[in-house]
Amino acid sequence: ILNVEQSPQSLHVQEGDSTNFTCSFPSSNFYALHWYRWETAKSPEALFVMTLNGDEKKKGRISATLNTKEGYSYLYIKGSQPEDSATYLCASHLMGSGGSNYKLTFGKGTLLTVNP
Amino acid sequence: DSGVTQTPKHLITATGQRVTLRCSPRSGDLSVYWYQQSLDQGLQFLIQYYNGEERAKGNILERFSAQQFPDLHSELNLSSLELGDSALYFCASSPGGSRTYEQYFGPGTRLTVT
Repeated sequence: ILNVEQSPQSLHVQEGDSTNFTCSFPSSNFYALHWYRWETAKSPEALFVMTLNGDEKKKGRISATLNTKEGYSYLYIKGSQPEDSATYLCASHLMGSGGSNYKLTFGKGTLLTVNP
Repeated sequence: DSGVTQTPKHLITATGQRVTLRCSPRSGDLSVYWYQQSLDQGLQFLIQYYNGEERAKGNILERFSAQQFPDLHSELNLSSLELGDSALYFCASSPGGSRTYEQYFGPGTRLTVT
């Protein structure tokens, strides 16, 4: 995998449903994997940063897992609420040469709509 | 509120002109990143500065340049503007050191080139 890819592109769920999305990223030169929540007309809000293979992070009803060997991360939302409606972005942070950070490459996001 | 400020919020200018976008990082953050988001693209990384020095370059055009000043604020200069430069420009700041991968985004500057 050369780019960061997210699936699905969009998702409609009913209030109370649990859901999950996938982020695939290049596994070489891996440094960190970010998840952001981006509401329309606002700036991206950091949800999680994960660096270690097997990492699991949780914030309220939202959790994420990381597999750096195979290059994927899952974001889970339990009991979705209408206020969870947003675009969820993941970004791969690759390590550059000499140990310096290189760049953040974003996926195109998963647009989640939670219907009341 | 992330603590990162960007000015102006909106900017409308004509093709061929030059504009400067400004970003003030969170207090204590040493690193500033610039991103562009066009209508049909995801967020594209442009450039990163760390404590006044350029650290990494992404998809930044030669017509664009940036710098980070001693007080750590940063400016992104866009010149010879084209219609395709219309986009939302975000800056993000990061603490650096062991927390260098944490990023906090500003509200963005929406640039419209007519």
